[in-house]
Amino acid sequence: GESVGLHLPTLSVQEGDNSIINCAYSNSASDYFIWYKQESGKGPQFIIDIRSNMDKRQGQRVTVLLNKTVKHLSLQIAATQPGDSAVYFCAETRLGTGANSKLTFGKGITLSVRP
Amino acid sequence: SAVISQKPSRDICQRGTSLTIQCQVDSQVTMMFWYRQQPGQSLTLIATANQGSEATYESGFVIDKFPISRPNLTFSTLTVSNMSPEDSSIYLCSVEEGTGTGIVQYFGPGTRLTVT
Repeated sequence: GESVGLHLPTLSVQEGDNSIINCAYSNSASDYFIWYKQESGKGPQFIIDIRSNMDKRQGQRVTVLLNKTVKHLSLQIAATQPGDSAVYFCAETRLGTGANSKLTFGKGITLSVRP
Repeated sequence: SAVISQKPSRDICQRGTSLTIQCQVDSQVTMMFWYRQQPGQSLTLIATANQGSEATYESGFVIDKFPISRPNLTFSTLTVSNMSPEDSSIYLCSVEEGTGTGIVQYFGPGTRLTVT
């Protein structure tokens, strides 16, 4: 079946540097994408979302980029901090179908911030 | 966003027994979702629970193994029945909310289950 996957299982960055977490999706019908952060011992926490009619969306210290041509999603974290250390998941769905918005999650990537 | 709590937060159970996990939301919601997250893995949807109707299960999950209740708009339970070590996972509930951009699922803290 179609799936959402991530290129790298782990990412190590220096504190203060920018982080880029990538995600590939295979369902071309997906029109809504979400990034989650999961800290150890906690449930996933919503970070930012983007619809397929957008290429870029910015939040506080985070930016999500969507390239529909190659079905690629990325999460950029500016000035990475130790508190950013977590597992990050991308998720995709298709809105407006009349059914519940079932999410398909990627495999997750661990971000480790070096002091 | 909605505040979601789960009980228990963790448990260690013997094989062959059953555990019921509770999910409480601080606001009324139409749909609640139950996920499983196996160690070091991503999230897999078990079922969707609407108040007043039977839960809808995803492929690979059956009601006899994971019975779900949804007695009102703020509460749901998931039971893991006749447990085996393969059921050791984090079980998460979630609810939907609109963000202005789309509809996001917000998650509870999870229930960490170990089956021995």
